[in-house]
Amino acid sequence: EAQVTQNPRYLITVTGKKLTVTCSQNMNHEYMSWYRQDPGLGLRQIYYSMNVEVTDKGDVPEGYKVSRKEKRNFPLILESPSPNQTSLYFCASSFVGGELFFGEGSRLTVL
Amino acid sequence: GNSVTQMEGPVTLSEEAFLTINCTYTATGYPSLFWYVQYPGEGLQLLLKATKADDKGSNKGFEATYRKETTSFHLEKGSVQVSDSAVYFCLTAGGTSYGKLTFGQGTILTVHP
Repeated sequence: EAQVTQNPRYLITVTGKKLTVTCSQNMNHEYMSWYRQDPGLGLRQIYYSMNVEVTDKGDVPEGYKVSRKEKRNFPLILESPSPNQTSLYFCASSFVGGELFFGEGSRLTVL
Repeated sequence: GNSVTQMEGPVTLSEEAFLTINCTYTATGYPSLFWYVQYPGEGLQLLLKATKADDKGSNKGFEATYRKETTSFHLEKGSVQVSDSAVYFCLTAGGTSYGKLTFGQGTILTVHP
């Protein structure tokens, strides 16, 4: 089954404790991206990757890192999380210019 | 890069009412246009798309036409159902700008019986 898998789905952590949200897709998509969704602000892009080893900033990259060492994986790294990074995060993938397939979301709370 | 301006909500309708959610875009080149829907507690999923001017995307009774002259891609449905209650997002992608995607803010639709 074609899918984008994110883990963890739910996480509560504390300020400053490094965490990684994983994202994996099985559709051989070149393009992958991360978004955060906040009430009243819609969906904002954090980072994207056009292919392996090619990443670039979206609209809200501050406080986040990503890597794309393999085509299927695109982890989102929060080196030192802060409460303003409490949000619902989505990973998505696609062929370039095509339909985006989204993961189910990861709800992160930073205390 | 590309951008969209989406009608803000929330929108509240009675069942069987007519729905329009406006979306206008700015882009260089010839982008593709998409409407995504997010049901409560779920991720986004594609509702419909159009890849060139005058194309009409349709799915589940929803329609949207790619209007290059007015740079619009308005979402319409003739008779909404309670099950259509969701958040709707407009997106433009491609053309001479892909990668950095900007979604519309989303429109919350609530349909009452």
